[in-house]
Amino acid sequence: GQSLEQPSEVTAVEGAIVQINCTYQTSGFYGLSWYQQHDGGAPTFLSYNGLDGLEETGRFSSFLSRSDSYGYLLLQELQMKDSASYFCAADTGGFKTIFGAGTRLFVKA
Amino acid sequence: DAGVIQSPRHEVTEMGQEVTLRCKPISGHDYLFWYRQTMMRGLELLIYFNNNVPIDDSGMPEDRFSAKMPNASFSTLKIQPSEPRDSAVYFCASSPGTIRGDTQYFGPGTRLTVL
Repeated sequence: GQSLEQPSEVTAVEGAIVQINCTYQTSGFYGLSWYQQHDGGAPTFLSYNGLDGLEETGRFSSFLSRSDSYGYLLLQELQMKDSASYFCAADTGGFKTIFGAGTRLFVKA
Repeated sequence: DAGVIQSPRHEVTEMGQEVTLRCKPISGHDYLFWYRQTMMRGLELLIYFNNNVPIDDSGMPEDRFSAKMPNASFSTLKIQPSEPRDSAVYFCASSPGTIRGDTQYFGPGTRLTVL
């Protein structure tokens, strides 16, 4: 089957750095995306890694290692508004996307 | 652009009734996706279209579910007959699809409750 594994919950304090890991097992793989979803809201795109390495977008960075079937999302200078669920999603081919179960991030003051 | 538009935002219906969810993608986007989100199963891809043609419907749970895209600006997801286990938030998303990893833009979702 196809699956993406990520921790269910992560807690961090304001101003800190947090890393959310994602391991994947898919029949096809072209890249890994990350989405953010606030309670009651819709998922919004954060980043995409099509190649191995680090992609940086402001306070957020994302990393991919195809050889390890592994990626992570790094959030720096955490703010209260970063409290949300974060999903990794694999592009398995033909733009078909499989989502992980999501990681709920709690940011404490 | 107004973004992806979904209607209704909330739907409460009784078991056995037909439910139709509607989606208007962002103009110019070639891909349209329907997802279902529940606490138990997370975010599941049900079906997606490219240029109005269904490409993969392997995520559609059963024959009670059907989806159409009669033109580039409109898609429907129909459940007939509905069952309580269909209660979920249904998202529609669209994407330009011009490059790999192209952003999917999600609509606000339809929260469906089947009693």
